[in-house]
Amino acid sequence: DGGITQSPKYLFRKEGQNVTLSCEQNLNHDAMYWYRQDPGQGLRLIYYSQIVNDFQKGDIAEGYSVSREKKESFPLTVTSAQKNPTAFYLCATLDSPYGNQPQHFGDGTRLSIL
Amino acid sequence: SQQGEEDPQALSIQEGENATMNCSYKTSINNLQWYRQNSGRGLVHLILIRSNEREKHSGRLRVTLDTSKKSSSLLITASRAADTASYFCATDAPDDYKLSFGAGTTVTVRA
Repeated sequence: DGGITQSPKYLFRKEGQNVTLSCEQNLNHDAMYWYRQDPGQGLRLIYYSQIVNDFQKGDIAEGYSVSREKKESFPLTVTSAQKNPTAFYLCATLDSPYGNQPQHFGDGTRLSIL
Repeated sequence: SQQGEEDPQALSIQEGENATMNCSYKTSINNLQWYRQNSGRGLVHLILIRSNEREKHSGRLRVTLDTSKKSSSLLITASRAADTASYFCATDAPDDYKLSFGAGTTVTVRA
């Protein structure tokens, strides 16, 4: 989706290191989401934010942290407490939680352990 | 939590054939959506069907929803090689801004 930019496309993490995944959107959408996808599986929700300066834990928030200081940006930090971080990470946005709208996705960041 | 389950897990068909995949879910929903994911890419929204709708069409796609059976199906007609992808259903509950995704159906269209 051209309106959502995730970077980097590939990221390697050393033991004990925190890494931050970037998600930027120019769609002016209120809500933003972070998902984790493991091979052959569906998406699991890590964190989501409905408005600036507010966010909620999803189903698998342990070992991750987020911030939402600007409407356009929702970075995800994978901390050293996340012992199995190797996965494909997807960021999504939603125009409004009301009105039966679909989510829009970025092209993902693939994180691996060195 | 994942409440949608797709069936089958994988499907291989010849170009020109139809592909049908099913999704079952456990709790009441507001909407059910279908997404496509090409290898190594993000998800692309295909179609959204509301809980009070029974059938919806978009081009070569036909989606049905049976809320009494808590199930939905996605039919792709006259498949093409470009339809090779994984397909996911996702549900959202009333007054909930989150989507629950199934594990997906991987479709391979052979030329």
